[in-house]
Amino acid sequence: GQQVMQIPQYQHVQEGEDFTTYCNSSTTLSNIQWYKQRPGGHPVFLIQLVKSGEVKKQKRLTFQFGEAKKNSSLHITATQTTDVGTYFCAGYAGGTSYGKLTFGQGTILTVHP
Amino acid sequence: ETGVTQTPRHLVMGMTNKKSLKCEQHLGHNAMYWYKQSAKKPLELMFVYSLEERVENNSVPSRFSPECPNSSHLFLHLHTLQPEDSALYLCASSQDLLQGWSPLHFGNGTRLTVT
Repeated sequence: GQQVMQIPQYQHVQEGEDFTTYCNSSTTLSNIQWYKQRPGGHPVFLIQLVKSGEVKKQKRLTFQFGEAKKNSSLHITATQTTDVGTYFCAGYAGGTSYGKLTFGQGTILTVHP
Repeated sequence: ETGVTQTPRHLVMGMTNKKSLKCEQHLGHNAMYWYKQSAKKPLELMFVYSLEERVENNSVPSRFSPECPNSSHLFLHLHTLQPEDSALYLCASSQDLLQGWSPLHFGNGTRLTVT
């Protein structure tokens, strides 16, 4: 079945440093979504990428979707302590997989002040 | 503030108990989901409902029994669980099942411990 791998599993940074997490799918995706889960919280939707090679920005966050629609990345510039949490990618393969997003295992980001 | 409310927030149950998790969404969405979140594992999709009809059962053991009486409410009935079923159970909703285009809105989850 479809697998979505996310690396790294953990990332510790000093406040002000940049951070990147990578997501790779075993199959071509129809779209990919990114979520953030704060410690003790629930996943919150950040963004969705649909087009091959798409790049979207939200303030300090930059999201990319690979040309082959099999990989994606999230880059945070100049991290802040409010960026702490787990970042998940979730891919949708399309077809008859109704509602079946496949989540990566997440990258846990720790930001040291 | 989430538009998806889950109760209870925490639940401790023995292996012979029967309990139910409740989820209510106030977003007017048509699709609802149950996910299981265990430590160091990806979110696992358990069940998907669209307009009260189950469209996905992701090979979940029969000791988990979902119920969707209307498009706003979703239940997960639990019986004779195992300790390995201890996890965070997340309910989510989305506008519809349009081939995965709709983002998921999660509730705060129920932290389940099976003793």
